[in-house]
Amino acid sequence: SSELTQDPAVSVALGQTVRITCQGDSLRSFYASWYQQKPGQAPILVIYGKNNRPSGIPDRFSGSSSGNTASLTITGAQADDEADYYCNSRDSSVNHLNYVFGTGTKVTVL
Amino acid sequence: QVQLVQSGAEVKKPGASVRVSCKGSGYTFTKYGISWVRQAPGQGLEWMGWISPYNGHTSDAKKFQGRVTMTTDISTNTTYMELRNLRSDDTAVYYCARDVMAATVNWFDPWGQGTLVTVSS
Repeated sequence: SSELTQDPAVSVALGQTVRITCQGDSLRSFYASWYQQKPGQAPILVIYGKNNRPSGIPDRFSGSSSGNTASLTITGAQADDEADYYCNSRDSSVNHLNYVFGTGTKVTVL
Repeated sequence: QVQLVQSGAEVKKPGASVRVSCKGSGYTFTKYGISWVRQAPGQGLEWMGWISPYNGHTSDAKKFQGRVTMTTDISTNTTYMELRNLRSDDTAVYYCARDVMAATVNWFDPWGQGTLVTVSS
């Protein structure tokens, strides 16, 4: 099955911009969705598809995609954005329904 | 509001089975699939499988094939995930999530609150 690779950790100064990337062959066929997870909590959806935000997600979160790479950008990072972020997509390498999660990126807001 | 509520924490011995429930509310239950995802302590998210409450069709991750069974009871808007022959490395928080599918994208929203399954002798 496919894999989705993310940088393990990134840091960003308060109010600055950070981009988190997710690489994998499946992203050439399917868009990614992105999830934020804080310690002890269930993940929440922050971005899906080309660049769609669920209601309640601040507009400082945005998504993009090119080739085999999907990106999540936080513009003007806030302390509340400190969390783990995971990408996810359908797996294009198999004939049946199968999903794959990225390895996760820990975002630290300095 | 759309919500998924899972059953409580479980402690099991190696070799036993566990069944976790996930009850949906606030939407038409048969309109969306449910995926199951687990997270071992300090680790990332791992997709386990999917079920359609509409027709009961399932798709399991290769890693869990033969050990996992997902079922649904539309009379109570509840989906179940049973994992058999438990090992210590099955200790994890198990999540259900509503699975929304479009042609070239899917997303999981919302998620259940998670169920901690501890496997220990």
